[in-house]
Amino acid sequence: VQLVQSGAEVKKPGESLKISCKTSGYSFTTNWIGWVRQMPGKEMEWMGIIYAGDSDTKYNPSFQGQVIMSADKSITTAYLQWTSLKASDTAMYYCVRRDDYNHGYFDYWGQGTLVTVSS
Amino acid sequence: DIQMTQSPSTLSASVGDRVTITCRASQTMSNWLAWYQQKPGKGPELLIYRASNLQNGVPSRFSGSGSGTEFTLTISSLQPDDFATYFCQQYKTYPYTFGQGTKLEIK
Repeated sequence: VQLVQSGAEVKKPGESLKISCKTSGYSFTTNWIGWVRQMPGKEMEWMGIIYAGDSDTKYNPSFQGQVIMSADKSITTAYLQWTSLKASDTAMYYCVRRDDYNHGYFDYWGQGTLVTVSS
Repeated sequence: DIQMTQSPSTLSASVGDRVTITCRASQTMSNWLAWYQQKPGKGPELLIYRASNLQNGVPSRFSGSGSGTEFTLTISSLQPDDFATYFCQQYKTYPYTFGQGTKLEIK
């Protein structure tokens, strides 16, 4: 199993962004893929998860409306996007695979994508 | 939301030491708890799930215990590769939440 994320991004406030998580080594459509934020010096924050099979999503209320999760089954890739970035979105973002038994822990993590938002 | 309070935030220890890290939950959560290890510049790795189950491939010097609101991660004999940051995660209810992390340093 591998989750390989897209590279670091530097953006200005108000710009849009879509980062990706390319998965391999397992059946993409039978697991949930999630996103976790880690702001500098802060604890991890779970943003939400998407079921790759039918794109059902569950968002952390703190992130609902702030980001959009999506998945493309044809290329086994998950995405996290912003339509209008803020400086406070500066963070490391990890994609995660929820466990095979759907209990809720994350058995595989991507390497992280650093997003920097600065004017 | 379930708040996870992890302690200590920093721990200094030597190779061969036995160390324990604690996570306390703001409400009871049975044993729906995982522990992760993170090294600088890398994504975290799962160590323990369901409070005490060792993930495949994780050395047996790592162990987890607890249920309800108090959980511990123990490393029985520290190895050089173990100096890293450790954090817990509850997955009893949405939103999933994490502890603040414990940085394990070489004394």
